[in-house]
Amino acid sequence: GAGVSQSPSNKVTEKGKDVELRCDPISGHTALYWYRQRLGQGLEFLIYFQGNSAPDKSGLPSDRFSAERTGESVSTLTIQRTQQEDSAVYLCASSLELAGAGEQFFGPGTRLTVL
Amino acid sequence: QKEVEQNSGPLSVPEGAIASLNCTYSDRGSQSFFWYRQYSGKSPELIMFIYSNGDKEDGRFTAQLNKASQYVSLLIRDSQPSDSATYLCAVNTSGGFKTIFGAGTRLFVKA
Repeated sequence: GAGVSQSPSNKVTEKGKDVELRCDPISGHTALYWYRQRLGQGLEFLIYFQGNSAPDKSGLPSDRFSAERTGESVSTLTIQRTQQEDSAVYLCASSLELAGAGEQFFGPGTRLTVL
Repeated sequence: QKEVEQNSGPLSVPEGAIASLNCTYSDRGSQSFFWYRQYSGKSPELIMFIYSNGDKEDGRFTAQLNKASQYVSLLIRDSQPSDSATYLCAVNTSGGFKTIFGAGTRLFVKA
């Protein structure tokens, strides 16, 4: 079956512009994660969605970042008034099981470059 | 103190040798531990997960967990050049679903 997909694969924007990143999880996966990975660094947790529960937003770095998910399907990560330090690869992952008991399947990522 | 710490490397081993990758974590209540492999320019993929103290073997890979020492490791036996990648240790926080990743250890296997 289809894996996790993300769009766009690459995004170049100017400082101060808003961007929207999209993630389509694997069908049936109830959990969805967003991570940020700067060049040469590890994954930085941003936000977690689980079914209809309130999302865990504890990793969002500032109020310029927000994310939504419709039911157990598509999620969008929005970055307002982008800054150069937002440049990174944004990875989305989905998981079938709860409480970290399951494997996270990652999408190919969106490479964001803020000029 | 970082929540999940790994030696950034690079760790260089000859082909056929055992590669040993280490990780420590700060949340004593963590219950789930994962090792992901990430090739350059690609997304992470799961190698192993472990929940109980002791060893867990899967082919050439062995994960070891010591909750008392808050330490988890990954051994790769008979290392191959195709094992050259960054290995990410990931820990689920106690009481929640958040996964914290270490910065990763770069492994080079020399042919």
